[in-house]
Amino acid sequence: QVQLRQSGPGLLKPSETLSLTCTVSGASINIGGYYWTWIRQVPGKGLEWIGYIFYNGRASYNPSLTSRLNISRDTSKNQFSLTLTSVTGADAAVYYCARNYDVFGGLDVWGQGTTVTVSS
Amino acid sequence: QSVLTQPPSVSGAPGQRVTISCTGSSSNLGADYDVHWYQQVPGAAPKLLIHHNTHRPSGVPDRFSGSKSGTSASLTITGLQADDEADYYCQSFDNRLVFGGGTKLTVL
Repeated sequence: QVQLRQSGPGLLKPSETLSLTCTVSGASINIGGYYWTWIRQVPGKGLEWIGYIFYNGRASYNPSLTSRLNISRDTSKNQFSLTLTSVTGADAAVYYCARNYDVFGGLDVWGQGTTVTVSS
Repeated sequence: QSVLTQPPSVSGAPGQRVTISCTGSSSNLGADYDVHWYQQVPGAAPKLLIHHNTHRPSGVPDRFSGSKSGTSASLTITGLQADDEADYYCQSFDNRLVFGGGTKLTVL
């Protein structure tokens, strides 16, 4: 059974860098053709795709975030990570890691979510 | 403003049938990209309910069904139960993954 476990701080000040990690168990992130994805949800609002890293290490980002965003992986730890620089209040959201087996969607496994608050 | 449009809310009594619509455009649903549906209860991550328009993952009751035609899709829930009360989101592809704004289902 594939499980995703998120870790990382949930409280940031404006202009700081958000770093979240998703640890995968039950599957290898560098095998199988899956897309390891980050999604965020502003409280009371809908879902927004942040980006993904493919099993071969290729990443793709939401154009609205690409200048501040990096998604990377550590295959030795079976983890993938999100780094978002220069955060503002607009970046406050619940962040989820997830897996999709198809670039067009179908996110079949999700992490538990991390609430990120941005406050001075 | 979400790329896919859903009604903000729907409601139904236990045992009834409800349908949630998802309207897109020629660059997503109309471009023949599949639609996927998620159920989210408060405080939890979304759960994949329907994938590739009509397919249920293992463990999802057959009370949940999906359909797609042209630029629209719908999720139908029959035999409504109290624990179906949740937010439901549709998702497709439009140069990136895109979502509907979500529909809150209230079981009366």
